[in-house]
Amino acid sequence: AQKVTQAQTEISVVEKEDVTLDCVYETRDTTYYLFWYKQPPSGELVFLIRRNSFDEQNEISGRYSWNFQKSTSSFNFTITASQVVDSAVYFCALSEARYSSASKIIFGSGTRLSIRP
Amino acid sequence: NAGVTQTPKFRVLKTGQSMTLLCAQDMNHEYMYWYRQDPGMGLRLIHYSVGEGTTAKGEVPDGYNVSRLKKQNFLLGLESAAPSQTSVYFCASSYQVRETQYFGPGTRLLVL
Repeated sequence: AQKVTQAQTEISVVEKEDVTLDCVYETRDTTYYLFWYKQPPSGELVFLIRRNSFDEQNEISGRYSWNFQKSTSSFNFTITASQVVDSAVYFCALSEARYSSASKIIFGSGTRLSIRP
Repeated sequence: NAGVTQTPKFRVLKTGQSMTLLCAQDMNHEYMYWYRQDPGMGLRLIHYSVGEGTTAKGEVPDGYNVSRLKKQNFLLGLESAAPSQTSVYFCASSYQVRETQYFGPGTRLLVL
């Protein structure tokens, strides 16, 4: 069965600290996509990154970086030098294609990140 | 280019009332989805559509119906609202299978 686990329910750090959000997934598919979404206090869901199962290169975008390791089924997200604006709920998600070729995303339960000034 | 829009933003219903949530996208996406978000449970797929005129059940379809009469619109209906349907509802769309899903701003529904 497909599953996404974000074991960290809440994280609180002081501004400028680095913080890593963990994501562990389960799937029997050999081809799949992993995503991270951000949900700020305003409530919308903002797409951050998509990674396919054949590409294990780490990705860096400004202060954000992602570490994808198939061997441990993990897709962790690190924010370097965190800022108050990074405060949000972050969701990791896995895309499968088991229902009539539709792309169904399975979401983790989210990690609430609070950055204290 | 508005992306994905949802109407209404907020609604209060009494138990047993009906309502329809409207989702519209202007990105010419084939796939559209309805999710509900409840505290501590992430997002759960209610129904989805792989193209105009098609609909299919997701993870938690009971109590909801959907229609996709036009490619750009995906309607979610509650025939007889129940307090358990109090939630935030998100619509999403994607161009192809496994492509990124883009979300609307959400509809907050309270059923008393």
